[in-house]
Amino acid sequence: DAGITQSPRHKVTETGTPVTLRCHQTENHRYMYWYRQDPGHGLRLIHYSYGVKDTDKGEVSDGYSVSRSKTEDFLLTLESATSSQTSVYFCAISEESVGLSSYNEQFFGPGTRLTVL
Amino acid sequence: RKEVEQDPGPFNVPEGATVAFNCTYSNSASQSFFWYRQDCRKEPKLLMSVYSSGNEDGRFTAQLNRASQYISLLIRDSKLSDSATYLCVPSSGGSYIPTFGRGTSLIVHP
Repeated sequence: DAGITQSPRHKVTETGTPVTLRCHQTENHRYMYWYRQDPGHGLRLIHYSYGVKDTDKGEVSDGYSVSRSKTEDFLLTLESATSSQTSVYFCAISEESVGLSSYNEQFFGPGTRLTVL
Repeated sequence: RKEVEQDPGPFNVPEGATVAFNCTYSNSASQSFFWYRQDCRKEPKLLMSVYSSGNEDGRFTAQLNRASQYISLLIRDSKLSDSATYLCVPSSGGSYIPTFGRGTSLIVHP
């Protein structure tokens, strides 16, 4: 299994509080992603990174910010958590693409279950 | 038309059955395709990659129809352990940002 961990694995917090989720990889992969998964919506991309300090928004980025100061760490911050951000958050990594595909296999972390009360 | 469409199911099949799912995609520039498997409350994991017309790995066969823009996943001799959600991911045709389908749920019963 790819070396990717997420912390915390579970968190309960209150509306209005800041929350930071951490994704850590030991694979030295260039790309890192944050997704949320909700019933009926599948995996939705929040933010992604294509290198240290290089990040961009995904389809559901409002209310979230990210930072990547090192190759191995990608942080997701909810500046002021809301109940609509209750979800399961997955981090993923992938290598530089080669060959026919512009997209390489993604490896996912175990997920963080976040509940905002 | 959504970028990726999958029948959410669930598909309920007995052990030993053959079952097939389809996934339609809208981006005709997609060059490669992936099927991921996701167990309940777990992370997705790659099941199969498809770069040409199809791929076969044991009981699993993926077939690509570029003209009609769909990819199918066939599972033969279903096992109880095949129960999961299967996610379709076409490449984004020049981008490294994948688009996931919502997945198809499979339940294999004794």
